[in-house]
Amino acid sequence: AQSVTQPDIHITVSEGASLELRCNYSYGATPYLFWYVQSPGQGLQLLLKYFSGDTLVQGIKGFEAEFKRSQSSFNLRKPSVHWSDAAEYFCAGGGTGRRALTFGSGTRLQVQP
Amino acid sequence: DTGVSQDPRHKITKRGQNVTFRCDPISEHNRLYWYRQTLGQGPEFLTYFQNEAQLEKSRLLSDRFSAERPKGSFSTLEIQRTEQGDSAMYLCASSLSRDEQFFGPGTRLTVL
Repeated sequence: AQSVTQPDIHITVSEGASLELRCNYSYGATPYLFWYVQSPGQGLQLLLKYFSGDTLVQGIKGFEAEFKRSQSSFNLRKPSVHWSDAAEYFCAGGGTGRRALTFGSGTRLQVQP
Repeated sequence: DTGVSQDPRHKITKRGQNVTFRCDPISEHNRLYWYRQTLGQGPEFLTYFQNEAQLEKSRLLSDRFSAERPKGSFSTLEIQRTEQGDSAMYLCASSLSRDEQFFGPGTRLTVL
C-alpha cells in the first residue's frame, strides 16, 4: 500500500538555525511528492513538488527538498529559519494511477527566538 | 484567481442531524477532491471528481456520506445522521490535470 511517513511529530529550532524535516514514502513506482504547510486557521499551502527530473527541488519561502530514491526519502530543508515559519508541515505523495494524495501525519515546527 | 472557497467555515450540529458543505473550486480546474482532517493527523482522502463524474471514493466514505458536483462546477458534501466521530475539518481541493492541488480553508464540523 502507498504510504507517507513523517517520523517527527514536533521539532523546535532556534530562529536563524537550519531546518530539516523528514519524510519517507512507500510506493511501487516513483511517486509524485509534495510538501505543504498549514498555519493555524489557514488552508494547506504548497511549498514545493517533485514529479521527475532534478532530484533537488526549490520551493517558495526559501525551502528546498531532495528526492532520494535509495532512501525512499523526500526531506524538506531550509538554511535559516524565520519565526514566521512556525506551522504544521505535511509531506504528501501521489501515484500515477491515483489522483488522491496520501499525507503524512505532519510535523509541527516551533521556532524559538 | 480567487482560490478555493468553502462554506460554511464552521458548523456545529447535534448528533443525528444532516449537514451539507459547499466547495467552490478555482474556476478552470476540472478536478475536485474532498479530504477529512482530524486533530493531529494529516488530511485523509474521501472522494474525487473529474468534471461532474465521481471517479474515486475512499472506504472512509460511508453510506451516510454523499458528494455531488453538478455541471462540474461547485461541489457539495452531505453527511446524514451525523455522529460524534464525524467531527473533523473537511477540506476541499481542486487541480488542473495532474498538477498541484490547491486547498480551501476547510469547514470545521463539530457534532455534539
